[in-house]
Amino acid sequence: EPEVTQTPSHQVTQMGQEVILRCVPISNHLYFYWYRQILGQKVEFLVSFYNNEISEKSEIFDDQFSVERPDGSNFTLKIRSTKLEDSAMYFCASTQKGLAGIGEQFFGPGTRLTVL
Amino acid sequence: AQKITQTQPGMFVQEKEAVTLDCTYDTSDQSYGLFWYKQPSSGEMIFLIYQGSYDEQNATEGRYSLNFQKARKSANLVISASQLGDSAMYFCAMSHPASGGSYIPTFGRGTSLIVHP
Repeated sequence: EPEVTQTPSHQVTQMGQEVILRCVPISNHLYFYWYRQILGQKVEFLVSFYNNEISEKSEIFDDQFSVERPDGSNFTLKIRSTKLEDSAMYFCASTQKGLAGIGEQFFGPGTRLTVL
Repeated sequence: AQKITQTQPGMFVQEKEAVTLDCTYDTSDQSYGLFWYKQPSSGEMIFLIYQGSYDEQNATEGRYSLNFQKARKSANLVISASQLGDSAMYFCAMSHPASGGSYIPTFGRGTSLIVHP
């Protein structure tokens, strides 16, 4: 069964450093998402991506964040200068039809980011 | 602003019993979707069930059913015949139109379900 993959599973970084979180969505999916879940809290939407551009972003997704689809398979989230409060689990997800279209959104296993 | 409320921080159920996890939502949009996800202790997010705002029948997926009461703005998850493996965090979410014209989700704070043998 196709699945969304994410690397690394755990990233430890120093405050102020740049990190890149990587995701490989399901191959025939067209819509891609990043979410954040601070430990013990709810899942928060960061950004959605369709047709090689950002379609929506939340207030959390400020200038420190960027997303890219550098090739036909990878979808990356970059945090330019990490802060302590960026420590969280980051989930990538993809859908074939978009959330209006309904149906299942497939999540990756997540990357746990720890900022020291 | 859209809001999802899960009023039960924790629920306990006996194995093989049914359990209902509550979810209410607040939106002025006519078109939206309602989702439930399961998050086991291992951390992954597992899709369980979806209900569209225009769907007249309640969604069902195996042991999961979504009790959709549109007028009351509730979308409760019913798990029949609970199993030990159902012990997890359960999140209700709503997809709704955003400023850019596509849909984005808002999640509730979750309900922790523990199934006792």
